[in-house]
Amino acid sequence: DIQMTQSPSTLSALVGDRVTITCRASESVASWLAWYQQKPGKAPKLLIRKASSLESGVPSRFSGSGSGTEFTLTISSLQSDDFATYYCQQYSSFSTFGQGTKVEIK
Amino acid sequence: QLQLRESGPGLVKPSETLSLTCTVSGDSISSRNYYWGWIRQPPGKGLEWIASISYSGRTSHDPSLKSRVTISVDTSRNQFSLKLSSVTAADTAVYYCAKTLIGRGNFPLDYWGQGTLVTVSS
Repeated sequence: DIQMTQSPSTLSALVGDRVTITCRASESVASWLAWYQQKPGKAPKLLIRKASSLESGVPSRFSGSGSGTEFTLTISSLQSDDFATYYCQQYSSFSTFGQGTKVEIK
Repeated sequence: QLQLRESGPGLVKPSETLSLTCTVSGDSISSRNYYWGWIRQPPGKGLEWIASISYSGRTSHDPSLKSRVTISVDTSRNQFSLKLSSVTAADTAVYYCAKTLIGRGNFPLDYWGQGTLVTVSS
């Protein structure tokens, strides 16, 4: 099965910072990669599909890039509402999630 | 607005079968080529995809859980269900039901239930 590894596990940042989260796949998943945001006690929210396609209603400060085995989620200017845990998900073969990256206030 | 809601026992004994139902409202479970899935999250840990099903009964399972999982759909009640057999403490988790994007059973999930905590303990 395909393993997904996110880095870092925790990220401390300030409002206004540019934030980048990396997700690596153990084998190529082409562009079959999604990103989610999860806040404590809530269900995940889909942000990006197919590596770089932003879901409707998601702020444009979020962007995704990459293909094959390496992907990034970038928040261009971190807002207070963005402090949360972020997960990548591959859907090339079955489906597996990364272990998550917690974005916390510095 | 599409809504999903999980229901079922919050406590299951080891070796028994966990049973959950997801009730869909705001749209027909038979509309379009969606799949309906189950995902779980152990306390303080990450997400794990379990399985999904189409309205016609086509299924997709995580290989590591497939032998213990039964997923079914009841279009007349606009519901789909999960059964997980021979549970252990490792199956303690928040269980979410969700809808996939149009396509395959492992596609990303854009509508989620609130989740329900299931604890496995004697």
